[in-house]
Amino acid sequence: GAVVSQHPSWVICKSGTSVKIECRSLDFQATTMFWYRQFPKQSLMLMATSNEGSKATYEQGVEKDKFLINHASLTLSTLTVTSAHPEDSSFYICSAPKIGSGSYEQYFGPGTRLTVT
Amino acid sequence: DAKTTQPNSMESNEEEPVHLPCNHSTISGTDYIHWYRQLPSQGPEYVIHGLTSNVNNRMASLAIAEDRKSSTLILHRATLRDAAVYYCILRAQTGANNLFFGTGTRLTVIP
Repeated sequence: GAVVSQHPSWVICKSGTSVKIECRSLDFQATTMFWYRQFPKQSLMLMATSNEGSKATYEQGVEKDKFLINHASLTLSTLTVTSAHPEDSSFYICSAPKIGSGSYEQYFGPGTRLTVT
Repeated sequence: DAKTTQPNSMESNEEEPVHLPCNHSTISGTDYIHWYRQLPSQGPEYVIHGLTSNVNNRMASLAIAEDRKSSTLILHRATLRDAAVYYCILRAQTGANNLFFGTGTRLTVIP
């Protein structure tokens, strides 16, 4: 199967600072990647769709100026949490559909646990 | 995307079959039924998907009702490694590839 990696796997930052999370498709190209957020004991919530070479599409209620997404290549999307606050502490997960698979199977990264102190 | 309903939790004994139900009464004719599972502290992983016919793969089987308003994920012999949250998701045949997760079923496997 295809592999999606995330870096870092966990990060602790101070309130008011910014944190960048990387999502890479290691063995396939992805023109689209998705970013999810998951709070403890809850389900995944889709935050935004990252599109290679164009602007990201954000779900309703997600602040685009706070969660900056850049999809600079066919294998890399980044999510930057700007001016992070404790309420942004969460598990951030990215995913990518494999082009040409025909089945729309999505491959998920292992997640990044963000803790804002 | 149409809504799915799953039990919050289920238990199974190790090495016994597990049947995880999912109701999707508002499914449209072109919606695929996808199942993903999420092990603790990991990202979800694809399990299986189908449209109308039952499907089998190395991980599980998917039984789809004739009217497609429900489906059942079948794990033939549960192992401790199958303990996870299982999500049943409907995905439109055309359009965006994004997935909207419901609450899922937390499967506990008892040794």
